[in-house]
Amino acid sequence: GESVGLHLPTLSVQEGDNSIINCAYSNSASDYFIWYKQESGKGPQFIIDIRSNMDKRQGQRVTVLLNKTVKHLSLQIAATQPGDSAVYFCAEKWISNFGNEKLTFGTGTRLTIIP
Amino acid sequence: ETGVTQTPRHLVMGMTNKKSLKCEQHLGHNAMYWYKQSAKKPLELMFVYNFKEQTENNSVPSRFSPECPNSSHLFLHLHTLQPEDSALYLCASSLRRETAYEQYFGPGTRLTVT
Repeated sequence: GESVGLHLPTLSVQEGDNSIINCAYSNSASDYFIWYKQESGKGPQFIIDIRSNMDKRQGQRVTVLLNKTVKHLSLQIAATQPGDSAVYFCAEKWISNFGNEKLTFGTGTRLTIIP
Repeated sequence: ETGVTQTPRHLVMGMTNKKSLKCEQHLGHNAMYWYKQSAKKPLELMFVYNFKEQTENNSVPSRFSPECPNSSHLFLHLHTLQPEDSALYLCASSLRRETAYEQYFGPGTRLTVT
């Protein structure tokens, strides 16, 4: 089946530095992508999304880049803060053979911000 | 808070016990979801309900039995579980099934089966 994966399971970044979390997807039919943040003891929280007709989308301190040629998605967090420490995972939306919308989630990367 | 609450937050049960997980959403949504999150594995969708009707069952063992009495409440009844069922069980909701991409998650129930 199709899958979404992350290149690195863990990432440590000095506070104040920028971080980049990567995600590879394999379903070329996916038309929408989401990044989630999951802090310890909490459920996943939406961070930012991007549609497949876009290459870049910016939010507050976060930027998502989409490279459809190589099926790669990245999340950039600028000027990291201790509160950014969490697990980040991506998800892709696609339509099944039965016409149902499906979300496939990645495994996650644990980001640790070093004070 | 996301507007989705789950109880209990932690549960330890033996393999012969029967317990239930509860999820409640205060967002006026009509679609609700149960997910299983195991260590080092992606979120696994278990069940989907849309307007109280089950629209998806991802080959979940019958020892997991969902119930959706109304659009605001979702239960997961558990019986004769196995140790490998230990995981974080997450509930989510979206406005409707067609907007599954815009889901709001609860904090989860950490289940340990002994």
